[in-house]
Amino acid sequence: DTAVSQTPKYLVTQMGNDKSIKCEQNLGHDTMYWYKQDSKKFLKIMFSYNNKELIINETVPNRFSPKSPDKAHLNLHINSLELGDSAVYFCASSPGLAGGTYEQYFGPGTRLTVT
Amino acid sequence: AQTVTQSQPEMSVQEAETVTLSCTYDTSESDYYLFWYKQPPSRQMILVIRQEAYKQQNATENRFSVNFQKAAKSFSLKISDSQLGDAAMYFCAYKGGATNKLIFGTGTLLAVQP
Repeated sequence: DTAVSQTPKYLVTQMGNDKSIKCEQNLGHDTMYWYKQDSKKFLKIMFSYNNKELIINETVPNRFSPKSPDKAHLNLHINSLELGDSAVYFCASSPGLAGGTYEQYFGPGTRLTVT
Repeated sequence: AQTVTQSQPEMSVQEAETVTLSCTYDTSESDYYLFWYKQPPSRQMILVIRQEAYKQQNATENRFSVNFQKAAKSFSLKISDSQLGDAAMYFCAYKGGATNKLIFGTGTLLAVQP
């Protein structure tokens, strides 16, 4: 069983379109995250939700909107896609809210290409 | 703000040899945690090892061990008996005690030569 899954794994779209990436975890974790890995492999957190509540919101354009319908799902919707949005987007989850060496379990990533 | 620096963009090691990847960090927090993640070509992020800042003993996981120097804010990863499957990008990451936000370094690409 896949612990953290993302769909789709690859997404190619044109500038200006709106797209969503879905994430699901079956680990029973309370906290979920979105990270962006750019073309230079640099990983940066975008958002974090704990039990459907937004707890981390980094400086991300408001074209990006996370949505958590329940604690097992965290989706990422992106409006008006730009070339600079091309990246690999990782979903992750962890059991705790803060503190502790809680391991973050990562999904396989979604490679988004904007043309 | 906390930062993580990996000064070696690329490293190479012969199979069965030992290699050390460097990581330094900057923080004013006293409570924090450090991690090494591995990202093979499959791009899956895999936790290699973790260290609590309050523990003086260096963490070890089979062939992987760390040299944690708290005063120097250094957290290097040693891979012993390197195997072909160790070839990957390695990321050092920091997490403060009051948050679950991981701050990553820029990564070190490790090649393992047969």
